Amino acid sequence: AQKVTQAQTEISVVEKEDVTLDCVYETRDTTYYLFWYKQPPSGELVFLIRRNSFDEQNEISGRYSWNFQKSTSSFNFTITASQVVDSAVYFCALSEAESGGSNYKLTFGKGTLLTVNP
Amino acid sequence: DTGVSQNPRHKITKRGQNVTFRCDPISEHNRLYWYRQTLGQGPEFLTYFQNEAQLEKSRLLSDRFSAERPKGSFSTLEIQRTEQGDSAMYLCASGQGFLKLFFGSGTQLSVL
Repeated sequence: AQKVTQAQTEISVVEKEDVTLDCVYETRDTTYYLFWYKQPPSGELVFLIRRNSFDEQNEISGRYSWNFQKSTSSFNFTITASQVVDSAVYFCALSEAESGGSNYKLTFGKGTLLTVNP
Repeated sequence: DTGVSQNPRHKITKRGQNVTFRCDPISEHNRLYWYRQTLGQGPEFLTYFQNEAQLEKSRLLSDRFSAERPKGSFSTLEIQRTEQGDSAMYLCASGQGFLKLFFGSGTQLSVL
């Protein structure tokens, strides 16, 4: 069974601070995918990034960066120089690659509510 | 790309009533998913369509729940004999593969 744990329920920072959101996952598969989604107050989940289990290269995209470490089953997300518009709930998700590739459903963590104060 | 559209945005119903939600995916997307999200939780998978075929249903989807996707276009999710425990946000997502899903804004159901 797959599981995603986001231990931080809420984080509050002041604008321009850096903030890291933690994600730890459990899976028995050797092939899997990890995701981060953002859910602003409007409710619509917005895709941020996807990594596959064979690609541990960390990634930076603008103010966002991701640190994937298979050894610790973690996929952490850092926002540099946070802005008020970053305030949202952030979800980490996992999908195992089923044989035949017919279906990939996401297992989400409980989310971390990030509040960036001016 | 007009995004995934869900209607209605909010639905209030009395226990025991039937409700139906609609999802219009992005037109070229062949995959469509329904998820349910309760307060303080992440979305939970309910069911999945590839074109018009419903390929998987979660055990969360009791026999009071039924979903359809006629002609592989829009999808409906019906809940019969609603219960208070059905109160949640129902999210629809579509994708042309699964690796990047586009979510709608959801339908918030309140069962009184």
